[in-house]
Amino acid sequence: GNSVTQMEGPVTLSEEAFLTINCTYTATGYPSLFWYVQYPGEGLQLLLKATKADDKGSNKGFEATYRKETTSFHLEKGSVQVSDSAVYFCALSQGAQKLVFGQGTRLTINP
Amino acid sequence: DADVTQTPRNRITKTGKRIMLECSQTKGHDRMYWYRQDPGLGLRLIYYSFDVKDINKGEISDGYSVSRQAQAKFSLSLESAIPNQTALYFCATSDSGLAGVYNEQFFGPGTRLTVL
Repeated sequence: GNSVTQMEGPVTLSEEAFLTINCTYTATGYPSLFWYVQYPGEGLQLLLKATKADDKGSNKGFEATYRKETTSFHLEKGSVQVSDSAVYFCALSQGAQKLVFGQGTRLTINP
Repeated sequence: DADVTQTPRNRITKTGKRIMLECSQTKGHDRMYWYRQDPGLGLRLIYYSFDVKDINKGEISDGYSVSRQAQAKFSLSLESAIPNQTALYFCATSDSGLAGVYNEQFFGPGTRLTVL
């Protein structure tokens, strides 16, 4: 079946550092790929998405490119801020709009 | 006001008790979902409903039941709670949209359930 694997956390960085959170997936065909973010005490919010190979999703300075050849959708940001501290979830959707989530990566940014 | 609300936000109960978690939405969406979140396991789908007369099991439905009382309301019940059902529970909604086109899911703030 479909599955998503994220790099294990927690990840701790200093403000203005470069961020990469790795995500790889297993699926047949062409799933849609997503990054969701969960701020402390809140539900999940869609951060960005890509629906076909080579698409790049971007939002709030974050980017991720749909790489079918490596079945990856890594999240990147050039300069993180303290306000980016959250848990990040990679997810895929394939048919019937059911989301399959990775295990989540907790990110902490220190000033 | 929040578009997707969940009640209660926190609940502590004992093994064997019946518990109901409620979800309401004002987004006018047809589709509603219940997930549980456990540390290191991400979110897993318990049940989902694509309209009032449609209920489907997710990957971990054992020990749970649901009721779609109206388009805007979707409740999750634990008939006899057990400690390994201690988790954070999220409700989500999405629009039906075009067939084959993903539509964003909107999440409630979550209910933290502890079963002693």
